[in-house]
Amino acid sequence: GAVVSQHPSRVICKSGTSVKIECRSLDFQATTMFWYRQFPKQSLMLMATSNEGSKATYEQGVEKDKFLINHASLTLSTLTVTSAHPEDSSFYICSASQGSSYNSPLHFGNGTRLTVT
Amino acid sequence: SQKIEQNSEALNIQEGKTATLTCNYTNYSPAYLQWYRQDPGRGPVFLLLIRENEKEKRKERLKVTFDTTLKQSLFHITASQPADSATYLCALPNTGNQFYFGTGTSLTVIP
Repeated sequence: GAVVSQHPSRVICKSGTSVKIECRSLDFQATTMFWYRQFPKQSLMLMATSNEGSKATYEQGVEKDKFLINHASLTLSTLTVTSAHPEDSSFYICSASQGSSYNSPLHFGNGTRLTVT
Repeated sequence: SQKIEQNSEALNIQEGKTATLTCNYTNYSPAYLQWYRQDPGRGPVFLLLIRENEKEKRKERLKVTFDTTLKQSLFHITASQPADSATYLCALPNTGNQFYFGTGTSLTVIP
């Protein structure tokens, strides 16, 4: 089955530093990947849609200069949290769809727990 | 704007019983709906998809119904097991393979 690998699984960083999170589709090509944020006991909130070879599309209220997304290849998208602050601490999850059919299921990475001290 | 609501309370049931989870939506007419399972600290895993012209879909001990008139989907787990304990999310499609996710229902199956 389709596998999405996300790295790192956990990261602790100091306030003001930047953190990069990688999302890879291991056995399929993904022209589109999605980045979500999830707070404890809350649902997934879509942050942005990452498009291979073009700029990401950000959801309303998400700062594109703070959450930099790069989708340089068909199997890799990265999310960089720049100048991180404690309020950026959260669970970040990426996903990709294997098929081009409109109802293809999403395959998720296992998430990255970011803690900003 | 679209709104998706799932059982707001955590659901606790005895092993062997049937768990029923609810997903209600408003201001929306999706062509299909998906259900995912999420374990703590992990990403969601796809379980089932049901289309608007399907009343019911089954997969092993799982059953999903989709009532477009009531704007509701029910997710059933029969003969529940402790290993079924997880959070279950319903998801409705937006454009371009994007999805809106419900708040999730935390299910605990008690041995």
